[in-house]
Amino acid sequence: DIQMTQSPASLSASLGETISIECRASEDIYSNLAWYQQKSGKSPQLLIYAANRLQDGVPSRFSGSGSGTQYSLKISGMQPEDEGDYFCLQGSKFPLTFGSGTKLEIK
Amino acid sequence: QVQLQQSGAELVKPGSSVKISCKASGYTFTSYDMHWIKQQPGNGLEWIGWIYPGNGNTKYNQKFNGKATLTADKSSSTAYMQLSSLTSEDSAVYFCARSPPLNYYSGYYFDYWGQGVMVTVSS
Repeated sequence: DIQMTQSPASLSASLGETISIECRASEDIYSNLAWYQQKSGKSPQLLIYAANRLQDGVPSRFSGSGSGTQYSLKISGMQPEDEGDYFCLQGSKFPLTFGSGTKLEIK
Repeated sequence: QVQLQQSGAELVKPGSSVKISCKASGYTFTSYDMHWIKQQPGNGLEWIGWIYPGNGNTKYNQKFNGKATLTADKSSSTAYMQLSSLTSEDSAVYFCARSPPLNYYSGYYFDYWGQGVMVTVSS
């Protein structure tokens, strides 16, 4: 199985700050990488797919980058509504696997 | 608009089975894969498997072989997951999620999720 190593596990950011979350795959996943935001008690919401494609309706402060085994999600200008858990999903090979998640809080 | 409406929370006894549902609306049910995902606090997310409602084809995470059975009813646009021989390790929130048609550039990903079903296994 492809292991997805996500970091950091938690992050505290000030309003307006730019933050990054990383996911490293145990093998090349050919940009088959999606990012999700999950708020407490809710279902995950798709932010980014194909490593860098912004899902319709997602604010442009969210962006994704990376290739091969290394990927990142950037939030350019933290907003209060960005608090939540974030995780990555590799969609390259079965079984599909997720990163362990990052808890993002307002400082 | 696309909606995936899951059934309600379940409290079930060890050794029993449970069947949870995911009713799809707002799109052609038979044209999209439906995936199932397990979420446990502290254990993160695990992909269980998918079903293609158009022909009933399934694929499972080997870890859930014998544990989960995926089916779909085209007439009601509803996907089902049955979990058997339940133990405390199966207590979790279970999500259904739709994936868009596969292409090389994006791979598999989920664009819409159900609200989740909490399954609690307890005597």
